[in-house]
Amino acid sequence: DAMVIQNPRYQVTQFGKPVTLSCSQTLNHNVMYWYQQKSSQAPKLLFHYYDKDFNNEADTPDNFQSRRPNTSFCFLDIRSPGLGDAAMYLCATRPGGGRGETQYFGPGTRLLVL
Amino acid sequence: KNQVEQSPQSLIILEGKNCTLQCNYTVSPFSNLRWYKQDTGRGPVSLTIMTFSENTKSNGRYTATLDADTKQSSLHITASQLSDSASYICVVSAQSGGYNKLIFGAGTRLAVHP
Repeated sequence: DAMVIQNPRYQVTQFGKPVTLSCSQTLNHNVMYWYQQKSSQAPKLLFHYYDKDFNNEADTPDNFQSRRPNTSFCFLDIRSPGLGDAAMYLCATRPGGGRGETQYFGPGTRLLVL
Repeated sequence: KNQVEQSPQSLIILEGKNCTLQCNYTVSPFSNLRWYKQDTGRGPVSLTIMTFSENTKSNGRYTATLDADTKQSSLHITASQLSDSASYICVVSAQSGGYNKLIFGAGTRLAVHP
């Protein structure tokens, strides 16, 4: 059974055209993360939510925004995608509340910017 | 600066052979170390997790070791199978501002050939 679901799996957008990536979880975890992973590189943390508390990494560009309307869903909005934003975007969740630190990753959304 | 370095960057072995992947880290304060397996086009999946006091942990044909003194870890794969072809990522958890921050290595890309 899928636990962390990302849609779409592949997304093609045009340079400068806003795009939204979606993540949902059936684990009822408190913490949700968004990572950017470029080819042959380690995942890079963009931001995370602990419940509704938003935590932005210092070097995350302003072009990247996130929304978490409820426990199950989290969205990544890229306001004006550039060619350098083409990457795999990974969503991950963690229980929080002292219930373990292992992060559970979704399958990722591969973004292509034309 | 917190860093995780993995070697080799890539590795090719024949089916049935063993291999060992290396991870060196300079992360402080250290919380725990994980090995993840990431299949192509998929999200990472946790294989093992070790805390400071643990020096070995097994998960089927995967055995991870940790030397907290030298800040080195290894992942040994026994009797490799074609399905072991993937990237293996070493992830070290550092305590940061009341929560644990994950520091990712760039991964070792393993190809198992028949």
